[in-house]
Amino acid sequence: DTAVSQTPKYLVTQMGNDKSIKCEQNLGHDTMYWYKQDSKKFLKIMFSYNNKELIINETVPNRFSPKSPDKAHLNLHINSLELGDSAVYFCASSQGPYGEDTQYFGPGTRLTVL
Amino acid sequence: GENVEQHPSTLSVQEGDSAVIKCTYSDSASNYFPWYKQELGKGPQLIIDIRSNVGEKKDQRIAVTLNKTAKHFSLHITETQPEDSAVYFCAASRGWGKLQFGAGTQVVVTP
Repeated sequence: DTAVSQTPKYLVTQMGNDKSIKCEQNLGHDTMYWYKQDSKKFLKIMFSYNNKELIINETVPNRFSPKSPDKAHLNLHINSLELGDSAVYFCASSQGPYGEDTQYFGPGTRLTVL
Repeated sequence: GENVEQHPSTLSVQEGDSAVIKCTYSDSASNYFPWYKQELGKGPQLIIDIRSNVGEKKDQRIAVTLNKTAKHFSLHITETQPEDSAVYFCAASRGWGKLQFGAGTQVVVTP
């Protein structure tokens, strides 16, 4: 059984378009995250939600908007896509929002903006 | 904010040899230090972690050491195998799930 799943796995789109990435976890965790991994493989946290409430909101353009319909899902919507948005986006989840809770990562979504 | 530096960026070892990756952090309030392994085309996976009240932790061929005074921690892999080839990330956190990752180390184990 997949613990943290993301769709789609690959996303190729034109500049200016709006796209969404979906994430679901079946671990019963309360906290979910979005990370961005750039072309140099650097991983940076973007957002985290605990029980559908936003708790981490890093310096991310407001074109990025996370939405958590329930605690098992955290979707990422991106407006007006730019070339610099090309990256691999990872969803993750943990039991709680505390620093010591293991974060389980999904397989990633490779976004390419042309 | 927290800044984590990781060295080396690439590491080539012969199968059976040991591999050591070192990280330093800047925030003295950081209290949790996980290590993640990322295989090609996959998401990072936790392999070992250490908390600030512990100096060393071992799990089979993998060990992590922490020096809080010097603000550095290291990953040691003994008896390396080809399946250990991957990118390894260190991270540090002072709480609330906010992991600050190092830049990663590409480990290549040659038979």
